[in-house]
Amino acid sequence: DVQMTQTPPSLSASVGDTITITCRASQSISIYLNWYQQKPGRAPELLIYAAVHLQSGVPSRFSGSGSGTDFALTITSLQPEDYATYYCQQSYGIPRTFGQGTKVDLK
Amino acid sequence: HVQLQESGPGLVEPSETLSLTCTVSGDSISRDYWNWIRQSPSKGLEWIGRISMGVRPTYNPSLKSRVTVSLDTSKNEFSLTLNSVTAADAAVYYCARRRTRSGSDFFDVWGKGTSVTVSS
Repeated sequence: DVQMTQTPPSLSASVGDTITITCRASQSISIYLNWYQQKPGRAPELLIYAAVHLQSGVPSRFSGSGSGTDFALTITSLQPEDYATYYCQQSYGIPRTFGQGTKVDLK
Repeated sequence: HVQLQESGPGLVEPSETLSLTCTVSGDSISRDYWNWIRQSPSKGLEWIGRISMGVRPTYNPSLKSRVTVSLDTSKNEFSLTLNSVTAADAAVYYCARRRTRSGSDFFDVWGKGTSVTVSS
């Protein structure tokens, strides 16, 4: 299995801050990396696919980067509705696997 | 507007079989891949398996011996069966649609999830 490791596990930030969450794969997965946002009691929602592509309807303050084994999700000018848990997920191998999540809360 | 809705018992006894159904509206299950994913505090998000019409289902090797995913095109729904459940199978179970773009695939539509407890 491709293991996905996210850092940090949690972070505290203020509205307006720029934050970056990283995701490392245990082997090269090219660009086959997706990012999801999950709020309490709700299903994950797709933010970024294929490492850099913004899903339709997702605000442009979200961006993704990386390839190979190292990836990042950046949120520019954090908004109140962005406080949530974020997950990376690889679509390179079977089984599909997710990172353990990064919880973003209010500083 | 595509919607997925999970249904099934919220409580299953140990060693019994868990059966869940995902009803799809706004899209035909005759196309795309349809997935089951679960989430628990201990294991996080765990992909269970997927199915597409005319294609053999693919399963997570860790669950393969106990899981079956099937399609019912007449009802536009797909199902999950997990045998011999234990406490480790307690989780929120999601169904999700897989889409492909830019050479990659991703889960773009999810159900709201259904919570399953394993207890006697």
